Amino acid sequence: DTGVSQDPRHKITKRGQNVTFRCDPISEHNRLYWYRQTLGQGPEFLTYFQNEAQLEKSRLLSDRFSAERPKGSFSTLEIQRTEQGDSAMYLCASSDRQALTYEQYFGPGTRLTVT
Amino acid sequence: QKEVEQDPGPLSVPEGAIVSLNCTYSNSAFQYFMWYRQYSRKGPELLMYTYSSGNKEDGRFTAQVDKSSKYISLFIRDSQPSDSATYLCATIANAGGTSYGKLTFGQGTILTVHP
Repeated sequence: DTGVSQDPRHKITKRGQNVTFRCDPISEHNRLYWYRQTLGQGPEFLTYFQNEAQLEKSRLLSDRFSAERPKGSFSTLEIQRTEQGDSAMYLCASSDRQALTYEQYFGPGTRLTVT
Repeated sequence: QKEVEQDPGPLSVPEGAIVSLNCTYSNSAFQYFMWYRQYSRKGPELLMYTYSSGNKEDGRFTAQVDKSSKYISLFIRDSQPSDSATYLCATIANAGGTSYGKLTFGQGTILTVHP
């Protein structure tokens, strides 16, 4: 299967702890996006990478959040000093900049629960 | 006010019914319109993609965009229990520039098709 994969699928952590999520995009896709989805809402954009460059960050991405995409392949999203309000599904998506369309393919998500 | 508004439902229909799902948007810069389907605790899956105004048909699914009224619709014919999911409309602003293809989602409509 060559779809977008995310790890872990579920993470339970205590408030104040740091967590890190990983996303592996579709191999030929150079665009990578992170979104956050809370219960009953649509996904909200967090940040965008084109290859290894982080080109846009949402104001939702506070200074406790950091994302990287070394070598333009997989990406990590770290949340420091987690808060209960960080509980959400974190979704990764990728797309091919060379494609005529802007279709994004999503991974299964990482569900974070902060207790 | 959110840039994309979608009635969250829930919507319950009998098998075989025609389903109509709708969104409105406020940003005239939106040019690309998508519909995603999301099963419980899964990532969104792209269903339909349209550019500007008009209709697009794919099997039992028809997407309509009316840019003059900023209205997006998805019709499902001969609905099946397997169509039960959350349906998310999404938009992208201008293809180039600084939009980077980031998606702006509606809240999602929960659909249940009962046998």
